Amino acid sequence: AQSVTQLDSHVSVSEGTPVLLRCNYSSSYSPSLFWYVQHPNKGLQLLLKYTSAATLVKGINGFEAEFKKSETSFHLTKPSAHMSDAAEYFCVVSVSYSSASKIIFGSGTRLSIRP
Amino acid sequence: DTAVSQTPKYLVTQMGNDKSIKCEQNLGHDTMYWYKQDSKKFLKIMFSYNNKELIINETVPNRFSPKSPDKAHLNLHINSLELGDSAVYFCASSQDGANSPGTQYFGPGTRLLVL
Repeated sequence: AQSVTQLDSHVSVSEGTPVLLRCNYSSSYSPSLFWYVQHPNKGLQLLLKYTSAATLVKGINGFEAEFKKSETSFHLTKPSAHMSDAAEYFCVVSVSYSSASKIIFGSGTRLSIRP
Repeated sequence: DTAVSQTPKYLVTQMGNDKSIKCEQNLGHDTMYWYKQDSKKFLKIMFSYNNKELIINETVPNRFSPKSPDKAHLNLHINSLELGDSAVYFCASSQDGANSPGTQYFGPGTRLLVL
């Protein structure tokens, strides 16, 4: 069975400091992993995805994530937070079968940025 | 040139009514989805269609009936609305393959409030 756990429901950092949003997954198969961002009252936007190529994945807006199979983790990082990064972030695990994917979202991490 | 669009954006209605939410994508994708996001921001997949065929049907009450007239449209009809149906409903589409779960492109969401 597939599952994903976001370890922090809320993370608060100062502008200009590093961001770390933690995600652990469980999957019986080789997973595909995604991070999506949702700004207030908006839809979801893909930040980055891992699909068994390079384990360090670079995304938009300076975000990146590293797939660590030994730790079953896919943590999202950014070297320097910007005020516009304040949003809800979702870690997603996906397993393909037939012609669609089984997709499971984490519970989300709210990122706040202090001036 | 909106990729995934939903109508209406807001929907306020009385308990017991029947309502529909429409979704259209102009990305040429084969697969479309409906998600429900509750007040705690938790996202759960409800349905997935591929080329008008139902692929995923999570444990959703049968008051919810998706309809896909063609692969660019996936509408959601809800009968006998209940207070617990209040949520944000997101439509999404992707171009999935058997070995490459696709990136999902989300619509802006429909905020449903049942009074």
